[in-house]
Amino acid sequence: AQKVTQAQTEISVVEKEDVTLDCVYETRDTTYYLFWYKQPPSGELVFLIRRNSFDEQNEISGRYSWNFQKSTSSFNFTITASQVVDSAVYFCALRSIIQGAQKLVFGQGTRLTINP
Amino acid sequence: DVKVTQSSRYLVKRTGEKVFLECVQDMDHENMFWYRQDPGLGLRLIYFSYDVKMKEKGDIPEGYSVSREKKERFSLILESASTNQTSMYLCASRIYLRTDSNQPQHFGDGTRLSIL
Repeated sequence: AQKVTQAQTEISVVEKEDVTLDCVYETRDTTYYLFWYKQPPSGELVFLIRRNSFDEQNEISGRYSWNFQKSTSSFNFTITASQVVDSAVYFCALRSIIQGAQKLVFGQGTRLTINP
Repeated sequence: DVKVTQSSRYLVKRTGEKVFLECVQDMDHENMFWYRQDPGLGLRLIYFSYDVKMKEKGDIPEGYSVSREKKERFSLILESASTNQTSMYLCASRIYLRTDSNQPQHFGDGTRLSIL
């Protein structure tokens, strides 16, 4: 079965702190894809990044970075020097290329609050 | 930019009513999806459609049906609304590329539906 676990339900930090959002996934497929989405208070889910299972290279985009570790089935997301505009609910998602190829399985989401 | 438009941001209906939620995308995407989002449960897939007149059940299709008569429009129907269908409903679309099956889904702003 496909499963995504975001153990942190809510995180609250002060502006400029670094913060890491955890994502652990379960799948039996050898080929799969991982995604992160951001949901600001407006409600729309905004796509942030995708990573396929055969590309373990970590990625940095400005203040955002992602650490993909196949050995621990984790795909963690770090925001450096957080800002109030980063406040949102963040979802990690898993897409299998073999089973239910058109479906994304989402984690429960982590509500991140950045306080001024 | 991809634009996915959901007809209503907020909707209030009564138990037993037939409810229609509309979703339109302007990028000629083949795949479209309906999710519901509930606290602590993340997003769960209700139905999806590979292309016009095609539909597949997701993880929680009970009490719902869908219609995809035109490529740009995907409608979610609550045949006889019940209070446990009070939720946030999110529509998404995705382009299908034979050479890159890892395209992200693009989401609308969501419809917050209350069934009284």
